[in-house]
Amino acid sequence: QLQLQESGPGLVKPSETLSLTCSVSGGSISSDSYYWGWIRQPPGKGLEWIGGIYYSGSTDYNPSLKSRVTMSVDTSKNQFSLKLNSVTAADTAVYYCAGLRWDDWYFDLWGRGTLVTVSS
Amino acid sequence: QSALTQPPSASGSPGQSVTISCTGTSSDVGGYNYVSWYQQHPGKAPKLMIYEVSKRPSGVPDRFSGSKSGNTASLTVSGLQAEDEADYYCSSYAGSNIGVFGGGTKLTFL
Repeated sequence: QLQLQESGPGLVKPSETLSLTCSVSGGSISSDSYYWGWIRQPPGKGLEWIGGIYYSGSTDYNPSLKSRVTMSVDTSKNQFSLKLNSVTAADTAVYYCAGLRWDDWYFDLWGRGTLVTVSS
Repeated sequence: QSALTQPPSASGSPGQSVTISCTGTSSDVGGYNYVSWYQQHPGKAPKLMIYEVSKRPSGVPDRFSGSKSGNTASLTVSGLQAEDEADYYCSSYAGSNIGVFGGGTKLTFL
């Protein structure tokens, strides 16, 4: 059974780059069934789709964040990563990594989430 | 793309039925049968409850059902139980490998 776990700094300074990694366990990240995504949730607010990446490295980003987002995948480590640059307080959120069944577009795998606070 | 529109709150008494709507456009909800619904309890990750508009994953009670008409999808919870109190989010495919979520609906007991 596939499981996901986010890791990375919980505090980032304004204007710097937020970097998170999602480790996939219990199976291979190189699955033809899954598209790996990042979703965030500001405190007390709703979910926002950040973007996704296939194990091949092909990426898709939310147009509203596209200029600041970079995603990558490391199949040798069974991990995929998120970088969000030029962060502000508005980027403070719980960040979830998730596995999406790309053929039917639904997330059936979720990490526990990690809170990232942007503050000096 | 803009977030899908959900009512901020919904409520019902134990045993009753509640329906939560999710309104989008012809570019997302109305254009694809890829609407999913997620349940989120405080401090927890979202959990898939419905996918492809009306399909239930294994383990989700049949009290949960989904439907769609035009640009609006709906989630119905029948026979409300205490553990159903949670936030519910809809999501839709919006083309070009882009997804969009609704703003969320808090379901509470009367």
